[in-house]
Amino acid sequence: QKEVEQDPGPLSVPEGAIVSLNCTYSNSAFQYFMWYRQYSRKGPELLMYTYSSGNKEDGRFTAQVDKSSKYISLFIRDSQPSDSATYLCAMKNTNAGKSTFGDGTTLTVKP
Amino acid sequence: GAVVSQHPSRVICKSGTSVKIECRSLDFQATTMFWYRQFPKKSLMLMATSNEGSKATYEQGVEKDKFLINHASLTLSTLTVTSAHPEDSSFYICSARRSGGGPTYEQYFGPGTRLTVT
Repeated sequence: QKEVEQDPGPLSVPEGAIVSLNCTYSNSAFQYFMWYRQYSRKGPELLMYTYSSGNKEDGRFTAQVDKSSKYISLFIRDSQPSDSATYLCAMKNTNAGKSTFGDGTTLTVKP
Repeated sequence: GAVVSQHPSRVICKSGTSVKIECRSLDFQATTMFWYRQFPKKSLMLMATSNEGSKATYEQGVEKDKFLINHASLTLSTLTVTSAHPEDSSFYICSARRSGGGPTYEQYFGPGTRLTVT
C-alpha cells in the first residue's frame, strides 16, 4: 500500500465550478502537507503549505487537513481554464524531511 | 522569488553516451537539492538528495554509479547520466530547498529536463 493515495482523475469541470482534490495517507507521522500544481512539461509549483490540521485559505484556494481521518483536500473556487493542470499532494514528517508525493490528479477546466 | 533553473530543457543523446543536467538556484542559496524522475502520468520519484559539499544520498534502487550527482556550490547541482540507455529516457526534475522555516523552507522545483536516449 502506498503511503499517499491521491484520487487519480482525470477531472473535468466547467469554468466557475468548485473543484475538490483529495489525498489520503497512512503515515500518522506526517505533519506538513503541501499542494503543488504542475503544468504540462513543467516542474511542480508550490501552491499551499500547511502544518497540522485545519484550513488555510489563499485567494481561490483552500487547503484542508484532517489528521484524525488522514485526509487532505484542496478546494478551488471559481475555477478558471488557467487552473487546468496536474495537482500533486505531498507530505512529510518534519520540516527538514523529504516529501512523499501522491500520483497527481489532472484537472481540466472547460471555458 | 525562488527561482530554480535547469539546463538543458531537452536533450537527445545516443545510447552509451553520458549526459549532464545542471540545476541552479538563481536567487537563493540551496543547501539541499533533490533530483527526481517522473514518468508520464506518474508522480515524482525521488532519486537522490544532495547537500552542498557532501556526497549525495541515493534512494533505494537508484544506481549511484549510473546517476552521478555533484553539489559543489550552494547554487549548483549536476546530475550526470552515464552510459545512457533508452530506458533512462524520462523527465528529470530538480528541486532546491533554502534555509529557514515555514513555507520558505519548502522545495522549489526547476522546469525539468526531458531526456531521450536513442
